[in-house]
Amino acid sequence: QQQVKQSPQSLIVQKGGISIINCAYENTAFDYFPWYQQFPGKGPALLIAIRPDVSEKKEGRFTISFNKSAKQFSLHIMDSQPGDSATYFCAASFTGKSTFGDGTTLTVKP
Amino acid sequence: DAGITQSPRHKVTETGTPVTLRCHQTENHRYMYWYRQDPGHGLRLIHYSYGVKDTDKGEVSDGYSVSRSKTEDFLLTLESATSSQTSVYFCAISETAFNYGYTFGSGTRLTVV
Repeated sequence: QQQVKQSPQSLIVQKGGISIINCAYENTAFDYFPWYQQFPGKGPALLIAIRPDVSEKKEGRFTISFNKSAKQFSLHIMDSQPGDSATYFCAASFTGKSTFGDGTTLTVKP
Repeated sequence: DAGITQSPRHKVTETGTPVTLRCHQTENHRYMYWYRQDPGHGLRLIHYSYGVKDTDKGEVSDGYSVSRSKTEDFLLTLESATSSQTSVYFCAISETAFNYGYTFGSGTRLTVV
């Protein structure tokens, strides 16, 4: 049973557009929801995170929207740039252990 | 990545041989994790540690063992490597278990032939 489902698997966006990646989780015990960005050949890097008592968090061009009742959260990348081209992973954590989605490969076309 | 190093970066080994991967951190973080990354599967937790000599299994622990004799080092051992263990292995550290993200190492690409 996959506890964190991520979609889409891949995404192509034009420069300046909005990239949206969605995740859904099963376990209501999860209490921390981070997003990671990974470039080829590198380890994932923490991008932004949210707690379930907050509905939205914004850091620069990156925003997490969180819907606790629907058990869904999403990452929005505003004004997407070619440098944002990477693989993005959502995760859900409980007692420090994170369960990851399968990842979304984002390509931003110039 | 600053503060966390994995070794080796690449390794090719034969089926049936034992293999040990090392994760070393200089951040003095209490929590350390081993994940494997495979295409289409995201990252899956193998084992984790919440202190020296305190370890526990993750979702894909079969065929793996770990040890943590010092705060800074977390070793992952494949007891008898199989082709299904060909993967990229990532170590991660975390300062606390609550409301805190991970810092990942650069990974070890392991190929079992």
